[in-house]
Amino acid sequence: KQEVTQIPAALSVPEGENLVLNCSFTDSAIYNLQWFRQDPGKGLTSLLLIQSSQREQTSGRLNASLDKSSGRSTLYIAASQPGDSATYLCAVYNSNYQLIWGAGTKLIIKP
Amino acid sequence: NAGVTQTPKFHILKIGQSMTLQCTQDMNHNYMYWYRQDPGMGLKLIYYSVGAGITDKGEVPNGYNVSRSTTEDFPLRLELAAPSQTSVYFCASSYSGADTQYFGPGTRLTVL
Repeated sequence: KQEVTQIPAALSVPEGENLVLNCSFTDSAIYNLQWFRQDPGKGLTSLLLIQSSQREQTSGRLNASLDKSSGRSTLYIAASQPGDSATYLCAVYNSNYQLIWGAGTKLIIKP
Repeated sequence: NAGVTQTPKFHILKIGQSMTLQCTQDMNHNYMYWYRQDPGMGLKLIYYSVGAGITDKGEVPNGYNVSRSTTEDFPLRLELAAPSQTSVYFCASSYSGADTQYFGPGTRLTVL
């Protein structure tokens, strides 16, 4: 059974720092992997989708990498800003095209 | 485009009552999903649909039912509500399987 883990559960850093969020999964037979952002009391916003054949995807200050063989993905945020404060969720598509979710990393960027 | 809309935003239900959570998307997506999110946990898939008239169970379907009579609408029915169904419910849609999913704002449901 696929399990997705995100460590740490919470992270607080000063504004301007570069940071990395981690996601690991137990079964390397995944299709795609998706990173989401969730703001308090709101829905989820898709940040990046990495297809299983890709190694990374970039959008603005965000870069996500995927290493299927080791069961890991990272989300790199450059030059963090207070507006980046949110919970970041990682989810992988299993062979039934269903998303299996991590519990998220709550990120706080201090001004 | 409104994207994915959900109603209501909040609701309090008494034990044993029933209700329907509404979900509509205007992106002509084939796939639609219902998730629940409990505090501090990841989302869990309740039911999903790959097109009008086709639905299937996800990881936690017990106590819920769905229907998909049109491409746009995917209502979630709670029968005989229990306190364990207190959660935030999210509806999502995507054009195809393993594609980017787009989420509604959620319904916060409390069962007392």
